[in-house]
Amino acid sequence: SSELTQDPAVSVALGQTVRITCQGDSLRSYYASWYQQKPGQAPVLVIYGKNNRPSGIPDRFSGSSSGNTASLTITGAQAEDEADYYCDSRDSSGNHQVFGGGTKLTVL
Amino acid sequence: QLQLQESGPGLVKPSETLSLTCTVSGGSFSSYYWSWIRQPPGKGLECIGYIYYSGTTNYNPSLKSRVTISVDTSKNQFSLKLSSMTAADTAVYYCARSNIGYDSRPYNWFDPWGQGTLVTVSS
Repeated sequence: SSELTQDPAVSVALGQTVRITCQGDSLRSYYASWYQQKPGQAPVLVIYGKNNRPSGIPDRFSGSSSGNTASLTITGAQAEDEADYYCDSRDSSGNHQVFGGGTKLTVL
Repeated sequence: QLQLQESGPGLVKPSETLSLTCTVSGGSFSSYYWSWIRQPPGKGLECIGYIYYSGTTNYNPSLKSRVTISVDTSKNQFSLKLSSMTAADTAVYYCARSNIGYDSRPYNWFDPWGQGTLVTVSS
């Protein structure tokens, strides 16, 4: 099992706000990064660090962190946001990168 | 624009060693960490390990006994060798650049990624 825990599946109505969470002890010391992956495609970075968006990522994507939980929030979810989302950060030793198990987002 | 491209065999026999190469183009190779990540069909992402351009490596403890990552700075390439392959190693293998930042606490991120290459272990 991963040291970063994500809900396996989350759904959101079109245009509504959804929060995808990632829990782990290492998140008290390290920020997480977030990736979007659509079927048959490589993951795409959507949020990194405290709350940084790469060029080309819509501003409806935002990140936050509190205690042992990192969150990815999509404000006004669009149909094209339907995808798997993965968090990544350090393991509890701080020596290795690990991914969460992933969250499948369905936009209704 | 930095691009990464994986290359190598798509089929490996059980017990054999997988060899993959990632070629980096369109940007700087020096002063960065370069990573291998894999994803079994229908499952999540797993970090295999990374190498600094100077040759320092770091491997996933669960794979460490079977993994070797090397670098060829003259060709802007880094490579993965995974020995004693089994069906459980069937996956899409990605290469990616690993980046490091700090903003009141440290963080890492993978960007950009290669397109990935499917490796199947079968006799």
